[in-house]
Amino acid sequence: AQTVTQSQPEMSVQEAETVTLSCTYDTSESDYYLFWYKQPPSRQMILVIRQEAYKQQNATENRFSVNFQKAAKSFSLKISDSQLGDAAMYFCAYRFSGSRLTFGEGTQLTVNP
Amino acid sequence: DTGVSQNPRHKITKRGQNVTFRCDPISEHNRLYWYRQTLGQGPEFLTYFQNEAQLEKSRLLSDRFSAERPKGSFSTLEIQRTEQGDSAMYLCAGSIGLRYTGELFFGEGSRLTVL
Repeated sequence: AQTVTQSQPEMSVQEAETVTLSCTYDTSESDYYLFWYKQPPSRQMILVIRQEAYKQQNATENRFSVNFQKAAKSFSLKISDSQLGDAAMYFCAYRFSGSRLTFGEGTQLTVNP
Repeated sequence: DTGVSQNPRHKITKRGQNVTFRCDPISEHNRLYWYRQTLGQGPEFLTYFQNEAQLEKSRLLSDRFSAERPKGSFSTLEIQRTEQGDSAMYLCAGSIGLRYTGELFFGEGSRLTVL
């Protein structure tokens, strides 16, 4: 069974600084998809960034980038120039050919002014 | 705004009562998913539909839970004989197209409290 693990229940960062959130996963598949979702307090969960496992190049979306290490089954999220609006719960998620999306436990990110 | 709306946003009920949640995705969402999220945890998959067909159900979905998506539009999730352990946020999400890479668009959720 696929599992996703986020070992950092909470993280904090100073505004304008950089923070990295960690995620590891377990799968026997070779072709799959990985995601980072953001869930602000009392608001909808939204997609931050997506990575296809067959792509070697790490995905980037503006201030958000990933470090995808397929052999190590690691998928970390780097947030550069952190902003107050980045404060949220961040979930790492895995998806194989079945449509089920498997989430990690989440990391609560606090951005300090 | 993801275009997915859920009602009611909050529901307080007594143990043993039945509750029903509704999810309205946008018309382009041919796939619709239900997840359950307890406080401080990641969402857990319950079930999903492709159009009106329910294609997968998690073992978390006991016999007391039933979901429908008539005509492939809105969906309902009913919980019969609620238990305190059913207290959670129930999330609905839609996705466009048949590709497995498709992004999921989540609603704001329906929070259930069972007294």
